[in-house]
Amino acid sequence: QALLQESGPGLVKPSETLSLTCSVSGVSFGTQIRAWVRQPPGQGLEWIGYIYSSGSTSYNPSLRSRVSMSMDPTKNQFSLKLTSVTSADTAVYFCARLNSNHVDFWGQGTLVTVSS
Amino acid sequence: SYVVTQPPSVSVAPGQTATISCGGYNIGHIGVHWYQKKSGQAPVLVVHDNTDRPSGIPDRISGSSSEDTATLTIRGVEAGDEADYYCQVWDTSDDQPVFGGGTTLSVL
Repeated sequence: QALLQESGPGLVKPSETLSLTCSVSGVSFGTQIRAWVRQPPGQGLEWIGYIYSSGSTSYNPSLRSRVSMSMDPTKNQFSLKLTSVTSADTAVYFCARLNSNHVDFWGQGTLVTVSS
Repeated sequence: SYVVTQPPSVSVAPGQTATISCGGYNIGHIGVHWYQKKSGQAPVLVVHDNTDRPSGIPDRISGSSSEDTATLTIRGVEAGDEADYYCQVWDTSDDQPVFGGGTTLSVL
């Protein structure tokens, strides 16, 4: 059974850096793509970006200046960093596997609140 | 960048058929994927590539598309179908996925 599990602080102060890790078990990523998606409270789903198995990345243009993604295949983990956060970054963050051009596996999501 | 448009809400009585639309320029010529999102849960892929259902998704859920509209159809709607439904396409110009704004399905 595929399992993607997000982990990281649930509370981040404004202007600081949000860091999350996704741990993967039960599914191989192979050449599939690792992705991050978020959902602010009361709003819809928003792509953050994705990272290929080669390590190259593609980010949502609206977040590009603040986002970075990395991965450690030896640990079956990949990570998200979002710098200079504000309250607008408060959201449930999901890690996911992109299969071709759609998501076939999702993490359960983790709520990150930006507040002092 | 590519824009997809969904109605904010759809309401149907139990046992009836719900149709949720996803509009976009020439959307019938690109792959459309649909996710069901219940409150507090991760999204679930219910249709991919316009019409294909992942294993475990009942056949009363189906997808179709025409020139500028893709449609998710749920026949015999049940209370458990209450959720937000999102369509998603791939914007080749930005090389990024794009979500619709989501449609809340209410079962009366």
